Amino acid sequence: DVKVTQSSRYLVKRTGEKVFLECVQDMDHENMFWYRQDPGLGLRLIYFSYDVKMKEKGDIPEGYSVSREKKERFSLILESASTNQTSMYLCASSPHAGGDYEQYFGPGTRLTVT
Amino acid sequence: KQEVTQIPAALSVPEGENLVLNCSFTDSAIYNLQWFRQDPGKGLTSLLLIQSSQREQTSGRLNASLDKSSGRSTLYIAASQPGDSATYLCAAGGNYGQNFVFGPGTRLSVLP
Repeated sequence: DVKVTQSSRYLVKRTGEKVFLECVQDMDHENMFWYRQDPGLGLRLIYFSYDVKMKEKGDIPEGYSVSREKKERFSLILESASTNQTSMYLCASSPHAGGDYEQYFGPGTRLTVT
Repeated sequence: KQEVTQIPAALSVPEGENLVLNCSFTDSAIYNLQWFRQDPGKGLTSLLLIQSSQREQTSGRLNASLDKSSGRSTLYIAASQPGDSATYLCAAGGNYGQNFVFGPGTRLSVLP
């Protein structure tokens, strides 16, 4: 079974702190994604990566950056956390295989910025 | 730009009923359509994936269909159980595992 793990289930940080969210997948998938999920707004794509050291902006990249130094690991960085970044953050991965793929999700990280 | 909608937003049914959840997408040039389940405070669990060349997929009591020309997919749940209570999301997939667009979800409650 594909396994996507996220470093924390719950995280509380203060305004202005630098925050790192880590995601690891064990299925050698090329694609990895970071989403945030908010009530009434659904899932919104922040960034995705289709290869090591490659990244593409999603719909809401402002205030975030990402790092992919190894194929299995994709990190989301909040350079200076703000209260409007309080949200559920979901990581996902999928193979890079035309139309024959599924997207697999981690358990999520509930981030609260105070 | 692809937009995905789901109807109804919420649904409450008695245990044992068969039910249908609807998903609509505006751009028919999709590579696949995936259905997920999400329990409160948790991540998404993949239920079914329908590739663009397929018309339907089945897994146990679940059956998902895809009609690209009309921009619709349905998830049929047979003989619903209280354990089926969750939010169900559909996502339209672009080429090479990228450009997933999610619907807002349908919150299902199955009453014992």
